[in-house]
This record gives sequence, C-alpha cells and structure tokens, in this order.
Amino acid sequence: DAGVTQSPTHLIKTRGQHVTLRCSPISGHKSVSWYQQVLGQGPQFIFQYYEKEERGRGNFPDRFSARQFPNYSSELNVNALLLGDSALYLCASSFGGGAGETQYFGPGTRLLVL
Amino acid sequence: QKEVEQDPGPLSVPEGAIVSLNCTYSNSAFQYFMWYRQYSRKGPELLMYTYSSGNKEDGRFTAQVDKSSKYISLFIRDSQPSDSATYLCAMSHQAGTALIFGKGTTLSVSS
Repeated sequence: DAGVTQSPTHLIKTRGQHVTLRCSPISGHKSVSWYQQVLGQGPQFIFQYYEKEERGRGNFPDRFSARQFPNYSSELNVNALLLGDSALYLCASSFGGGAGETQYFGPGTRLLVL
Repeated sequence: QKEVEQDPGPLSVPEGAIVSLNCTYSNSAFQYFMWYRQYSRKGPELLMYTYSSGNKEDGRFTAQVDKSSKYISLFIRDSQPSDSATYLCAMSHQAGTALIFGKGTTLSVSS
C-alpha cells in the first residue's frame, strides 16, 4: 500500500510569490494535517482537516491556507512568501483525525525562498 | 518556556551501546506520547506510541512515560549504525489532535 505522498519534492521560490503544496493521504484515511519543519527544529502544526472541514489551526499567519478535497487529498497554500517560510512542509494522514490517533507522515516538500 | 523540551545533542555512541533519549514537557493535559525517527531529508516515522503513564517495549526500543515528573524517555538497546537519525518526541492531549514536537535529538552510532 502506498503511504502518504507529497508533491513536489522540492521547489525554489522568490519572496512575494505564492506556492501550492499537495498531499495524498493513505488510502482509507480521511484526515490530513500539515506541519512546518524549519531546519534544526521539530515540526510545527499548521492545519488539520477532516472530511473537508478545518478541525484545527496552529499559530500561523493568514498567508497560510489549506483545503481538503472530496477524495481526501489536500493542498497547502502560502501567499506572499517570506524568507522565513523556507522549510520542510510535512503532510500527515490519520484515519479519523481523532485525539490520540496515529499520524503517518509523508516525505515532505522542501521549500526554499530566495 | 516551550511546551516540550528536548536536548538537540548531537549524541555519538559506539555500536552496541545503550542510548537514552529524553523529553520534558509543561502541559499536564498531554495524554498521548510518541517517538518518531527521522532520517536525513525524509519524513518522520513513528517508532513508539504510549497512552498515559507506563512503559512500552518493542524489540530493542523501550518507551517510558512519567506523568508525575512530566518526563518521557526512549531507550535503544544494542544500538546499530542504522539507528543514526534524529529522534523526535511528540505529544498531544485529549481534546486536541495537533502533535507538539520537541526539537529532536541527533544520534550517531559508529561501527
């Protein structure tokens, strides 16, 4: 069975641009969460979606947005990119998104903002 | 004070050594405790999962949770060069589903 997949694997953008990152959860999983991992730090929670509804949001500015599609895949959008947005963006999927459910991570998308 | 504190290391040990990795936390509402392993340029992989206090063993790995001290540990016995990675502790509470991670400890096992 395929695990969590993310695309693209890496990309380079310039300040002020917009970026869209994509995630496909494990088959049968209905919840997707997004995390940002800056070099040398642990992942930080950005969003969780379940059944196309936002279930949780971390402490990130409104430049960050996300959505989940009927097939449970998800997109993370970041507007007006800043140098500090350079990071590994991780997607995690879980079956129902409930408390304590195991979250399985994808390989991440490495974003570099110049 | 950060919610989860973890010594980033790096930690270097010879093959066969016993490794002890630790995290402390401040939020007493945390109920679910996890250890993830992350190889360079890869996503985190779940190693151990513990609910509330107690010990859990899986092969060479043992996870311990002491809620009274707000302290969790991961022990690796007979460490192997393939264990060289960054180990992240993570936790969440009953009402929330977001995982709160430590900074990660970088471990290097030399043969």
